[in-house]
Amino acid sequence: GAGVSQSPRYKVAKRGQDVALRCDPISGHVSLFWYQQALGQGPEFLTYFQNEAQLDKSGLPSDRFFAERPEGSVSTLKIQRTQQEDSAVYLCASSLSSGGRTDTQYFGPGTRLTVL
Amino acid sequence: QKEVEQDPGPLSVPEGAIVSLNCTYSNSAFQYFMWYRQYSRKGPELLMYTYSSGNKEDGRFTAQVDKSSKYISLFIRDSQPSDSATYLCAMSDSGGSYIPTFGRGTSLIVHP
Repeated sequence: GAGVSQSPRYKVAKRGQDVALRCDPISGHVSLFWYQQALGQGPEFLTYFQNEAQLDKSGLPSDRFFAERPEGSVSTLKIQRTQQEDSAVYLCASSLSSGGRTDTQYFGPGTRLTVL
Repeated sequence: QKEVEQDPGPLSVPEGAIVSLNCTYSNSAFQYFMWYRQYSRKGPELLMYTYSSGNKEDGRFTAQVDKSSKYISLFIRDSQPSDSATYLCAMSDSGGSYIPTFGRGTSLIVHP
């Protein structure tokens, strides 16, 4: 069945370039999360959407990071003026309802970003 | 000190062994405890979910939570080579929306 998909799977950027990472959640899922996973570390929360509303962006590391979900389905994470420390796997997850604590999050395969 | 500590391993065991994976944490507000499995180049998938203290069993997997010690465990019985993956613990508190704090993961290798 269709799970969470992310594209591109791999992205190489030169320092200073802008990148856009796409997430297609499971159809009908209300909540969408973005995480950053550095090599050898667990995922760290970036931002959370409920439908099109961005309810929490406390994990975004700087104002170079921007996320949107304009129609409440597909989401894009944009990183401006990429830096080497942005190199990581960016994971998207979706859940069926309003992000309650008992709601299972389904993760996509991630986009591996390498900044040279 | 991180809120959630997890030994990265790798932990190498023979097929059929009982595996014990553990995490410690410092935030006493954590009430919800999860274990995820992550295969190489894949996203994490939820294995077990426990609320507060106690044990929960699902097939070959048993999750234990000891809130008094701030210590959680995942046991895998009759381990299989297909169990080889990174196991992440995660936990969240009782307020707000479901934003878990993850451990760094333990790499498990089950060799035939």
